[in-house]
Amino acid sequence: AQKITQTQPGMFVQEKEAVTLDCTYDTSDPSYGLFWYKQPSSGEMIFLIYQGSYDQQNATEGRYSLNFQKARKSANLVISASQLGDSAMYFCAMREASHASGGSYIPTFGRGTSLIVHP
Amino acid sequence: NAGVTQTPKFQVLKTGQSMTLQCAQDMNHNSMYWYRQDPGMGLRLIYYSASEGTTDKGEVPNGYNVSRLNKREFSLRLESAAPSQTSVYFCASSPTGDMNTEAFFGQGTRLTVV
Repeated sequence: AQKITQTQPGMFVQEKEAVTLDCTYDTSDPSYGLFWYKQPSSGEMIFLIYQGSYDQQNATEGRYSLNFQKARKSANLVISASQLGDSAMYFCAMREASHASGGSYIPTFGRGTSLIVHP
Repeated sequence: NAGVTQTPKFQVLKTGQSMTLQCAQDMNHNSMYWYRQDPGMGLRLIYYSASEGTTDKGEVPNGYNVSRLNKREFSLRLESAAPSQTSVYFCASSPTGDMNTEAFFGQGTRLTVV
């Protein structure tokens, strides 16, 4: 079973509109961290936002926010006011205590969602 | 602000050739990782190293070997390249003992095996 599931292979959004990218996760650990990365066509992995399992409030970073629903095990990324430069692949990732070795919490990634922003 | 540096950025190999992908980080991180990225598959872990002198297999280790030369460097070796190893390879690092910090990635190596 996949640890991180991103069910939307591709998404389209109009410039200036908001878009939600879905991510569900599977863990029985009480303590874990959730991350979103952006990968533009140039290929680099850019960290966007982090949510800890004990955080009471949803994380926000500028136009990015994370809609964290712990009971549903979902950590959706919301991009407000989309820009053309937001066109990229987006990956959800998790670090959890049960997937660790020697103190290294190994990041597990979903398959990604390709976002295209139309002018 | 170098962060994680991978070399080379692009490589074409013939089937059966060998090569080593180099990775170095200057953030004093103990944990280092090698991932491969294939279309529709996300990033899959090949090998990781929790500290200098230790390495462990990830999800897709077959056909690869690694060396943690020192705290800074973690190399990935393909002994006999196969077309199935055509992929984009990423090296990453993170502090050990901290699940709340993101992993930092290199720029990636695009490898084609013909």
